[in-house]
Amino acid sequence: DAKTTQPPSMDCAEGRAANLPCNHSTISGNEYVYWYRQIHSQGPQYIIHGLKNNETNEMASLIITEDRKSSTLILPHATLRDTAVYYCIVLKRNNAGNMLTFGGGTRLMVKP
Amino acid sequence: NAGVMQNPRHLVRRRGQEARLRCSPMKGHSHVYWYRQLPEEGLKFMVYLQKENIIDESGMPKERFSAEFPKEGPSILRIQQVVRGDSAAYFCASSVRDLTYNEQFFGPGTRLTVL
Repeated sequence: DAKTTQPPSMDCAEGRAANLPCNHSTISGNEYVYWYRQIHSQGPQYIIHGLKNNETNEMASLIITEDRKSSTLILPHATLRDTAVYYCIVLKRNNAGNMLTFGGGTRLMVKP
Repeated sequence: NAGVMQNPRHLVRRRGQEARLRCSPMKGHSHVYWYRQLPEEGLKFMVYLQKENIIDESGMPKERFSAEFPKEGPSILRIQQVVRGDSAAYFCASSVRDLTYNEQFFGPGTRLTVL
């Protein structure tokens, strides 16, 4: 699975959009981009995933560049409860299991 | 529909004892993954199981660790003769068998402390 690079930490003001970048320059054509987050002391929580088109759900939007070498997770109106470590993960979807490889992630601090 | 359940939430063991961690997947989920998170680190994959089968145990330490997912009952991660380095949070995740949707749902974790 392709390796990802994320900034170690970011701050965001409450109510503003949080834009979390991820580089995955070695991604291959059949690999998806997944985002999970881990709020302190809890299990990771799935946020969103995509292949090449932009995606949006009730939690966030995912913007993937045309060359698929990078992506941005957008939390449109960050709240204090969005403070967490956000993990960008690239993996193939296949029938043999999809174990997640967590890197260092980005520690997002939402401030009042 | 209850989420992934893990118990106990906190477990304290002395060096040399055995630790048994249990994971009940979400209803209808037949795939279980175990991950370990050492203090101040990210989660590391340990083992992937389907009912009665270990599919991938490439992340499991070679000794003292074992896992099972019997036909009936929860998945069990067993650590024999625990050492201080085993102190960590152990997370279980489950998913459905579906190539188009393989989101993993995580449990709250078991925090193991070895004295």
